[in-house]
Amino acid sequence: RKEVEQDPGPFNVPEGATVAFNCTYSNSASQSFFWYRQDCRKEPKLLMSVYSSGNEDGRFTAQLNRASQYISLLIRDSKLSDSATYLCVVIRTGAGSYQLTFGKGTKLSVIP
Amino acid sequence: ETGVTQSPTHLIKTRGQQVTLRCSSQSGHNTVSWYQQALGQGPQFIFQYYREEENGRGNFPPRFSGLQFPNYSSELNVNALELDDSALYLCASSLGSDRGTNGELFFGEGSRLTVL
Repeated sequence: RKEVEQDPGPFNVPEGATVAFNCTYSNSASQSFFWYRQDCRKEPKLLMSVYSSGNEDGRFTAQLNRASQYISLLIRDSKLSDSATYLCVVIRTGAGSYQLTFGKGTKLSVIP
Repeated sequence: ETGVTQSPTHLIKTRGQQVTLRCSSQSGHNTVSWYQQALGQGPQFIFQYYREEENGRGNFPPRFSGLQFPNYSSELNVNALELDDSALYLCASSLGSDRGTNGELFFGEGSRLTVL
């Protein structure tokens, strides 16, 4: 089983739609969680951190469920500019070692 | 702009050769990590350097090595290149501590390596 798995996608949604992505992780010792966004042929950029208490930034809401070992990203009122690949990131630190794992990414296309 | 610069932007090598990629971190950042991103895949963590020491490594063979310099810039070296090493190599800088970084990574635009 891969350490981090994401919805396969692609997701093609109309403008104004609500879309949700999930990401599961296998190592319960994982400590930090993030969503990154990557536009075509560009570098990844941090979208938001993910906490158990939830994290909201405008139209974007991220949630962590430690018991079920998954994180989610909800995008409301989708805009054309939201079209990108969304990558989840899981970080595990221990015994002087650091491991960071990206998911494969889920591609979102918002259609006019 | 993130302030993270990578060089070269593109390069072509042949199987068996060696390559060195360079990265200048964002001002104020003390940690640099490197990633390999194949087409259609997420970035794969290669390793991370904090204060000139490697403090984390992904599942990559020893022919992938690196350095971090006192000014926190970094190099990624790959020996004995294989066709499967063709990918985009991304460098990210962050603010770290002995226990790792806070996960807020600032990426350069990458170096695209083609191995023939």
